[in-house]
Amino acid sequence: SQQGEEDPQALSIQEGENATMNCSYKTSINNLQWYRQNSGRGLVHLILIRSNEREKHSGRLRVTLDTSKKSSSLLITASRAADTASYFCATISADGLTFGKGTHLIIQP
Amino acid sequence: DAMVIQNPRYQVTQFGKPVTLSCSQTLNHNVMYWYQQKSSQAPKLLFHYYDKDFNNEADTPDNFQSRRPNTSFCFLDIRSPGLGDAAMYLCATSRGGVAEQFFGPGTRLTVL
Repeated sequence: SQQGEEDPQALSIQEGENATMNCSYKTSINNLQWYRQNSGRGLVHLILIRSNEREKHSGRLRVTLDTSKKSSSLLITASRAADTASYFCATISADGLTFGKGTHLIIQP
Repeated sequence: DAMVIQNPRYQVTQFGKPVTLSCSQTLNHNVMYWYQQKSSQAPKLLFHYYDKDFNNEADTPDNFQSRRPNTSFCFLDIRSPGLGDAAMYLCATSRGGVAEQFFGPGTRLTVL
């Protein structure tokens, strides 16, 4: 089954800086979703972008989707310590929903 | 508040002793999912119910079973837990199969 691949696997930045995470996938998708997971907790849905959309915003989050390159990016602007978490992309296709391996983001105070 | 609830949050069982994890939802979503997540890995879908229809992932071991007696509840049964089954088990729901999923807090299973 296809799987999204995030990069980088880990990212450490200073509070206030912007964080960018990328996701690549292999086959045609219906939509792509980003989730956040705090340590030892369940996942929280952040944003969903449909295959016919190119960019979407939600608060400090900006997601782009390039279906020709089969890739997506998540930008978190003006990062805060509370943004420290793992971030997963998930693709919805005919095969169902598949999570990528995730990016572990650390915001240094 | 509408939510997904998992009980217990922590479960300890012995090697080979059957264990059941439970999930309930107040969202009235028609799709419920069970995922297994091991340390520092992505959640792995075990199976899901689309309404009453059970959908098993091809690589889910037979040791894992599920029941959905009604819209609100879904159970994960592990018939003979092995040491390799120690993981976080996440339940999620969605309205339809392509929508965002709402996750419970997870049950961390330890196998002794």
